Order: sequence, then structure tokens, then C-alpha cells
Amino acid sequence: GAGVSQSPSNKVTEKGKDVELRCDPISGHTALYWYRQSLGQGLEFLIYFQGNSAPDKSGLPSDRFSAERTGGSVSTLTIQRTQQEDSAVYLCASSLQGLSTDTQYFGPGTRLTVL
Amino acid sequence: AQSVTQLDSQVPVFEEAPVELRCNYSSSVSVYLFWYVQYPNQGLQLLLKYLSGSTLVKGINGFEAEFNKSQTSFHLRKPSVHISDTAEYFCAVSDQTDSWGKFQFGAGTQVVVTP
Repeated sequence: GAGVSQSPSNKVTEKGKDVELRCDPISGHTALYWYRQSLGQGLEFLIYFQGNSAPDKSGLPSDRFSAERTGGSVSTLTIQRTQQEDSAVYLCASSLQGLSTDTQYFGPGTRLTVL
Repeated sequence: AQSVTQLDSQVPVFEEAPVELRCNYSSSVSVYLFWYVQYPNQGLQLLLKYLSGSTLVKGINGFEAEFNKSQTSFHLRKPSVHISDTAEYFCAVSDQTDSWGKFQFGAGTQVVVTP
């Protein structure tokens, strides 16, 4: 079946603009994660959605970052007033139940470049 | 809270030679352990995971890893690498006491296989 998809694959924007990144998880997966991958760094957890529960936003680096998940499926990560330090690859992952034993399935990522 | 240390940022290796990627973790609770691989311009995919039982875990593409609780390590090995194994490898842990899967990833090890 289809894997996790993300769009756009690349996004170049100017400092101060807002951007929206989209994630389509695997159908039937209740858990969805957003990570940020900066050059030479590991994956930085941003936010986690599980079913209808309130999301865990503990990894969001500032209030310029927000995310929503509509209908328990598609998710959008929004970065307002982008800064150059926001440049990174943003990865989305989904898992069947969001358990600590579950495999996370990753999308190909969105490479964001802030000029 | 957990932390994951991947001791080598880059590992050059010749084709058909063995490779070992080192991963150490720190945690006050028991953890589950994972290795993911990221091929160029792709998302991460699971290589193998340790949940319980035998400490030697076999994964895809001929990789295996051994969990050593006393040394808090989970090193990844392959006896003979191929050019196609050129990729970045990430070690990750999740908390066994968590009801949901929040993963802590290492910074990654870049493996470069040359003929």
C-alpha cells in the first residue's frame, strides 16, 4: 500500500514568510509525528498526534510553529515568520497505534530553505 | 529522559568489508532500541528493533545488532557491505514505561562504502 507522503518535497522561502508543510500518513495509522532534521544533527522531535487525544507539542521550538491534524489523517505543520535557522528537512512519520514498540514509517521529507 | 550517542559521525568502509556502527544510550528506565537507515533523499526505514528476548537481533539487508544491557549499548554490524549500503544510520530508543512512542534519536552515522 501507499507509504507516508509529504508535500512539497522542496520549499524555498524568504525570511519572514509563512510556510505550510503537509503530511499524509499511512491509512489506518492513528499516530503521527513531526521531526526536524538539521545538517549534522539527529532527528529533533517536534509534535505528536494520537487519535483524538490532545497533541504533545513539547518539542515545538517556538510559538511560530504549529501543527494540526484534520479528521485523524492529514497533518499540516505551519511555520510563521520563518527564520534562517528554520532551514532543515522536516520529516513526518506515522505508526499504527503510537506505542513505544511500534515501528514508525517515515515520509521522504520536505527540505525547507529560508533565504 | 533518555539520550543516545552514536560514537562515529562517519564510517568509511570498503566493499565486502565488515562494518560496525556504535550506539550507546543513557536512560533511568528500561528502553526499546531501534536502528533506522536513511538512503539519500529518502525518509528513514526500520532496519531492526530490540523489544525483548534474545539480545542478538537480525534485521533486513543482512544487518544485525546486539543489545548489551550492562554496557547500555546496541551496536549494529554487517559482515560484508555493499555499495548500496551507503546511507545514514540512526539509533533510537523509546521508553518502556511510556504508553506512547516518543523516540529519542542519535545524531546519525554516515556510512560510505567504496569499491
